[in-house]
Amino acid sequence: DAMVIQNPRYQVTQFGKPVTLSCSQTLNHNVMYWYQQKSSQAPKLLFHYYDKDFNNEADTPDNFQSRRPNTSFCFLDIRSPGLGDAAMYLCATSRDPIAEGTDTQYFGPGTRLTVL
Amino acid sequence: GQNIDQPTEMTATEGAIVQINCTYQTSGFNGLFWYQQHAGEAPTFLSYNVLDGLEEKGRFSSFLSRSKGYSYLLLKELQMKDSASYLCAVSREGYNKLIFGAGTRLAVHP
Repeated sequence: DAMVIQNPRYQVTQFGKPVTLSCSQTLNHNVMYWYQQKSSQAPKLLFHYYDKDFNNEADTPDNFQSRRPNTSFCFLDIRSPGLGDAAMYLCATSRDPIAEGTDTQYFGPGTRLTVL
Repeated sequence: GQNIDQPTEMTATEGAIVQINCTYQTSGFNGLFWYQQHAGEAPTFLSYNVLDGLEEKGRFSSFLSRSKGYSYLLLKELQMKDSASYLCAVSREGYNKLIFGAGTRLAVHP
């Protein structure tokens, strides 16, 4: 089944210790997104890739970086996690919104990050 | 600014009908999505409206009025498994960027 996969599902890190979350997709979608969702809050878009083009949201802290080495994989790097970065991190994909118009985003199961 | 409002919590009885409202004010509009999210899980797609009117899909229907900046999700014949958060999200123009509401937690009881 075509899908969006996130590893690990649960990640524990220490304050200030870099951490990387991964996302892969078998949908062959052009666009990949990273969202941060804190408890009982809306998912908040951090950035997205349209193919290799990286697009950062204006209010995404510099502490958050992303890499997309190929179509299938996308990584979220948190350089120095703080207690406030504890959240669920959701990866999503969509096809080509430029060619196809607005299109559904498909979400992975998320990685819950705990910062000690 | 960008603003999406929906009720925080709702309760309903198994077998009943519930309507979850969403109002939005966004710069640019390219459609409105409803997602279902069970606790600790990823959002899953329910519906998409870009034109005014009602879209029906089984037990779920979604309505949009662009002039009023208003949508609702209608759930019929409620089941216990429908207990979840329901997220309203607006797609802004370009790259399908979604702005989410905080979600409505629906509790279905027997």
